Amino acid sequence: DTGVSQDPRHKITKRGQNVTFRCDPISEHNRLYWYRQTLGQGPEFLTYFQNEAQLEKSRLLSDRFSAERPKGSFSTLEIQRTEQGDSAMYLCASSSTGTGGRYYGYTFGSGTRLTVV
Amino acid sequence: AQSVTQPDIHITVSEGASLELRCNYSYGATPYLFWYVQSPGQGLQLLLKYFSGDTLVQGIKGFEAEFKRSQSSFNLRKPSVHWSDAAEYFCAVGATNAGKSTFGDGTTLTVKP
Repeated sequence: DTGVSQDPRHKITKRGQNVTFRCDPISEHNRLYWYRQTLGQGPEFLTYFQNEAQLEKSRLLSDRFSAERPKGSFSTLEIQRTEQGDSAMYLCASSSTGTGGRYYGYTFGSGTRLTVV
Repeated sequence: AQSVTQPDIHITVSEGASLELRCNYSYGATPYLFWYVQSPGQGLQLLLKYFSGDTLVQGIKGFEAEFKRSQSSFNLRKPSVHWSDAAEYFCAVGATNAGKSTFGDGTTLTVKP
């Protein structure tokens, strides 16, 4: 397994355009997470899935953001009508759950850096 | 609500010196605690984790961390720093049901030759 893959690595888009990012988690991991990181800040939680079910979505996330994990494998994060404030690194992570829901920390991808101009 | 505070934004140490990075957390139950390291342009890598049991946990790259419930702290230590340890370090607290983790804002480590 090659770890968590994210595509693209970099995306430059004009304000108002839609963008979509893809994440391929470690194949045996049932949980997949999306985080956003801006300069000088720690990762901020956006949403997470267990298999194909989206279990939690940040209240800070506007309706312009949507995520899917249709077959419980890869996931996509779409941002509609992008704004300059959306410029950030978008990180995907995956984990497996053990007995009683215990997990062992995240494996992160290298991220997608979005620049909105 | 869970939260993490990393009081030191930036720390500089000399190569070969010891290191301690501070982390304080707030969480209503028994926390899962983590330290991650991020090198420039890279994703985060898990250094170590604490769930329960022995309060001193060992991680990769010679790092260790000690959980102190009375102080709500989970400080990261390394006895002798190498130049390759220069990076940004994040402490995180997680829910016990494998839900979201909350990260601190990180500490940037610079290593002087």
